[in-house]
Amino acid sequence: EPEVTQTPSHQVTQMGQEVILRCVPISNHLYFYWYRQILGQKVEFLVSFYNNEISEKSEIFDDQFSVERPDGSNFTLKIRSTKLEDSAMYFCASSEGAGGYNEQFFGPGTRLTVL
Amino acid sequence: DQQVKQNSPSLSVQEGRISILNCDYTNSMFDYFLWYKKYPAEGPTFLISISSIKDKNEDGRFTVFLNKSAKHLSLHIVPSQPGDSAVYFCAASEDNAGNMLTFGGGTRLMVKP
Repeated sequence: EPEVTQTPSHQVTQMGQEVILRCVPISNHLYFYWYRQILGQKVEFLVSFYNNEISEKSEIFDDQFSVERPDGSNFTLKIRSTKLEDSAMYFCASSEGAGGYNEQFFGPGTRLTVL
Repeated sequence: DQQVKQNSPSLSVQEGRISILNCDYTNSMFDYFLWYKKYPAEGPTFLISISSIKDKNEDGRFTVFLNKSAKHLSLHIVPSQPGDSAVYFCAASEDNAGNMLTFGGGTRLMVKP
């Protein structure tokens, strides 16, 4: 069964450093997403991406964040200068089409720890 | 801003009995509702969904009920099995919001053998 994969599974970084979280969405999917879950809190939407453009972003997704689809398979989330409060599980997801009825498939997550 | 809320952080049920997980929402623009299940160290896995034009959707042991006037939905699992033990998230989306899902805080279900 096709699945979304994410690397690394755990990333530890120093405050102020740049990190890139990587995702390989399901191959025939066209819509890509990043969500995060701070420990003990809700899963929160960060950004959605379609046709090489951001289609929607939350207020969490400020100038420190960027997304890119550098080739035909990878989808990355970059945090330019990490802060302590960026420590969270980051989930990538993808869906075949638009609309709530198009199931979003989630990856296993990357645990980001900022020291 | 808690647009989607799950008031019970945990629920314990005996194997074979019914599990009922509840979810409330405030945004009347939501038009699609989903339930995801999450095991530790894994991402959320889609379980079942319902459009706002329906009031019930059933898939095997899982049934979701939607009460639009009360802005309330529930997930029924019958019969509950120990493998159902996980965190269940309610989520909602609106068509004009770039497919973003708004999640509730989750309910940890424990099914005891």
